[in-house]
Amino acid sequence: DTGVSQDPRHKITKRGQNVTFRCDPISEHNRLYWYRQTLGQGPEFLTYFQNEAQLEKSRLLSDRFSAERPKGSFSTLEIQRTEQGDSAMYLCASSPWGDYGYTFGSGTRLTVV
Amino acid sequence: DQQVKQNSPSLSVQEGRISILNCDYTNSMFDYFLWYKKYPAEGPTFLISISSIKDKNEDGRFTVFLNKSAKHLSLHIVPSQPGDSAVYFCAASAGANTGNQFYFGTGTSLTVIP
Repeated sequence: DTGVSQDPRHKITKRGQNVTFRCDPISEHNRLYWYRQTLGQGPEFLTYFQNEAQLEKSRLLSDRFSAERPKGSFSTLEIQRTEQGDSAMYLCASSPWGDYGYTFGSGTRLTVV
Repeated sequence: DQQVKQNSPSLSVQEGRISILNCDYTNSMFDYFLWYKKYPAEGPTFLISISSIKDKNEDGRFTVFLNKSAKHLSLHIVPSQPGDSAVYFCAASAGANTGNQFYFGTGTSLTVIP
C-alpha cells in the first residue's frame, strides 16, 4: 500500500484552458474526498464519493468543476475554463467507511497564468 | 463563515519545552475532532483525534484536550522537538450525517528552536 497518490504534482496552465487531476486512493478505502487549499487557509471541502456515488458537493464546486469516480476506484477532478482564482493546492483524501480519519495525498498544485 | 478557528498563525517554542496549539469552533453539532500536521509540499498527515464523548486523548508526546462547553480544543506537544516544526491544522466534523466532511482551521505554524 503506497498511500493516496495524486497526479500531477504540479500543473501550470493558461487561463481558459481545461485541466484534469487524478487521485488513486488507498485500495480498500471506499470514501474519497477532494479538498482545495489556498495560501494561508486550511483545506476546504469540495466533494466526496462513497464508492462510485458522489454524495455531496460544496457550493465552492461551481459548474466549471466536475468530479468522477468510475467503478469506485480512482477519481478525476476536471476544471473547465480555468480562472486565476482556481490557483490552489487540490488535495485528495480517502478513508474506509465508518472511520473518521482521512489519509491525504500530497496534492496537485495548480497555477493559472 | 469560518466554523473552525485557529487564532494564532504562528508559535515559536524552545526545544524540550511544551507547545500548546489552540483551536475554537462554533458549531455545537461537531462531534469529532482531528489534528493534522503539514510539511511544505506535502499533504496533511493525521496526528491525533478526539471524540466528543472524551475530554482528553493522549498519544506519546501528543495530547489533545476538548472543552465542549467552551467549544475549544488544544494540542499539547511535550517535549517539543525540532522535527515538530510544521503547520498544524485542527479539523472538526459533525459525523456520518455529513459524510465525514471536515472543516479545517487556518493552521498554526509551529517552529521549535533547537
